[in-house]
Amino acid sequence: QQPVQSPQAVILREGEDAVINCSSSKALYSVHWYRQKHGEAPVFLMILLKGGEQKGHDKISASFNEKKQQSSLYLTASQLSYSGTYFCGTDGGSYIPTFGRGTSLIVHP
Amino acid sequence: DAGITQSPRHKVTETGTPVTLRCHQTENHRYMYWYRQDPGHGLRLIHYSYGVKDTDKGEVSDGYSVSRSKTEDFLLTLESATSSQTSVYFCAISESTANYGYTFGSGTRLTVV
Repeated sequence: QQPVQSPQAVILREGEDAVINCSSSKALYSVHWYRQKHGEAPVFLMILLKGGEQKGHDKISASFNEKKQQSSLYLTASQLSYSGTYFCGTDGGSYIPTFGRGTSLIVHP
Repeated sequence: DAGITQSPRHKVTETGTPVTLRCHQTENHRYMYWYRQDPGHGLRLIHYSYGVKDTDKGEVSDGYSVSRSKTEDFLLTLESATSSQTSVYFCAISESTANYGYTFGSGTRLTVV
């Protein structure tokens, strides 16, 4: 079952914050987050395991609410380099994530 | 940073012809995956491998076959290409199934005319 990402697109100015949500209809073991720039391969950002943990590096962090079967990606003080499409991948126990359709993030100067 | 390479990068082929895409890794990772990416669909799993000669189907495996005779190589074959298989194909590798992220190759853009 493909997770649902929201919003589909976000347009920001440099320095603004953004939140991207990922929801699943199934119980989750883990959630992956990736960023893909146009014409390039997806790049792994982080993985969160069940237990309601939060992770982050630099100004990008994420949370995982196991009970709500949701994860959120937080981009703080966005930079031009944050532009791209963000994908979540949810794993319901098969250990292979199913990816959402992506959220397009555009950061303007 | 050439831990995973895909070939060819671009290919145009005719309907009905067989096509083979290659994924090569130098990381000695056990797990390898083939995805296709289409507008509005995200990444969809075609086949994956959990070891030499060990493969299994993903959610969109019809019309595709795979082989893995060596740890470093994972081949994707379109038996008889159709226009619906026009897509960007990504190979990915991971050290293990749980708790590890994927490293993706640069992709192969395949056009079936």
